[in-house]
Amino acid sequence: GAGVSQSPSNKVTEKGKDVELRCDPISGHTALYWYRQRLGQGLEFLIYFQGNSAPDKSGLPSDRFSAERTGESVSTLTIQRTQQEDSAVYLCASRPGLAGGEQYFGPGTRLTVT
Amino acid sequence: QKEVEQNSGPLSVPEGAIASLNCTYSDRGSQSFFWYRQYSGKSPELIMFIYSNGDKEDGRFTAQLNKASQYVSLLIRDSQPSDSATYLCAVIRGNTPLVFGKGTRLSVIA
Repeated sequence: GAGVSQSPSNKVTEKGKDVELRCDPISGHTALYWYRQRLGQGLEFLIYFQGNSAPDKSGLPSDRFSAERTGESVSTLTIQRTQQEDSAVYLCASRPGLAGGEQYFGPGTRLTVT
Repeated sequence: QKEVEQNSGPLSVPEGAIASLNCTYSDRGSQSFFWYRQYSGKSPELIMFIYSNGDKEDGRFTAQLNKASQYVSLLIRDSQPSDSATYLCAVIRGNTPLVFGKGTRLSVIA
């Protein structure tokens, strides 16, 4: 596709349920990032994938958060046993990667935990 | 700790004026510098990037980079109310994740 896509655009879930968020990066981009942005706050880095290298998970806030990426394509961010403090917009971004280049964001998934 | 600092604002300018947004960074090895615009409720949109010292102009936007002072700025000429948004500065070194500032909120008053 022309840009980074994410689904769903909105997700409402009950506390304690698991959720999966999907990101489809720009074709050919080897670097993929997940961020969290709470209402009125800055971007919070979560995890970074670069090609086939081990992901940088240093930003994941707890072991309830995990992410996978299939090769250099789709990524899913999974939040288990959701809590109300997980409510936020989850943003995915991609970048060409080792060749450098600019990073582009997807439209985000707004997660509301009730 | 790699940091990017921005004044949170709000920065208020009258319509037609020049808006000047500033950013400092702590990692002297930073190589690439980006400005994103984020409207309320939307995702960040890349508007400028600069890799070399000096100025880079694109339409009404000019990015300025001074690596010796570890300073990058964004000038918006002929500011319009539609420029009202939060502007995020980001820097990167090598292939590590971008480090973002917390953003400066710009308000252009008609």
